[in-house]
Amino acid sequence: EVVLTQSPATLSLSPGERATLSCRASHSVRHYLAWYQQKPGQAPRLLIYDASIRATGIPARFSGSGSGTEFTLTISSLEPEDFAVYYCQWRSNWLITFGQGTRLEIK
Amino acid sequence: QVQLQESGPGLVKPSGTLSLTCAVSDASITSTNWWTWVRQPPGKGLEWIGEVYHTGNTNYNPSLRSRVSISVDKSKAQFSLHLTSVTAADTAIYYCARQFFYASGTLNFDAWGQGTLVTVSS
Repeated sequence: EVVLTQSPATLSLSPGERATLSCRASHSVRHYLAWYQQKPGQAPRLLIYDASIRATGIPARFSGSGSGTEFTLTISSLEPEDFAVYYCQWRSNWLITFGQGTRLEIK
Repeated sequence: QVQLQESGPGLVKPSGTLSLTCAVSDASITSTNWWTWVRQPPGKGLEWIGEVYHTGNTNYNPSLRSRVSISVDKSKAQFSLHLTSVTAADTAIYYCARQFFYASGTLNFDAWGQGTLVTVSS
């Protein structure tokens, strides 16, 4: 079973700044990693899949990188609506795991 | 655009069975997707519960496997979750969701229900 560890738990930044969120896998997941954004009272929304492909409608300021065990979600210039919780996620043929989440808050 | 809507009791007694249904609209439940349940305890992270394919094939979270059952009813375009022997630790927002096959061949959550809070309490 793959364990996904996200860091930091909380990230405090200001609008306009660059955000870098990390997700580390306990074993290689190749490029099979997705990122989701969740705002209060809402269901999660797919941002990135296959480590680096933006989902439909996701702004270009969101980018993903990495492979194997180390992955990064980068938001190039924070907009007010980007402050939320972000989860990474992996699935095998029969199992799905989520990271514990990173809370991105306004400084 | 696929629509998913959870329904079921918002309050379940300890040791009882939690039963929820997810109605699927504007998409075929027999298409090549996995229909999934995810839960989120208040103020905490996401936990995958399990998934079902339209053929009835299922996969479950090993930590819940002994208590969970997920089934699909193609005639009603819905799928269901049953979780037995519940405790307060099962109190959570329960989401149904679709995992869609993307062109790359991977499955990703592309649609979610609004979620329903289920509280386990006497």
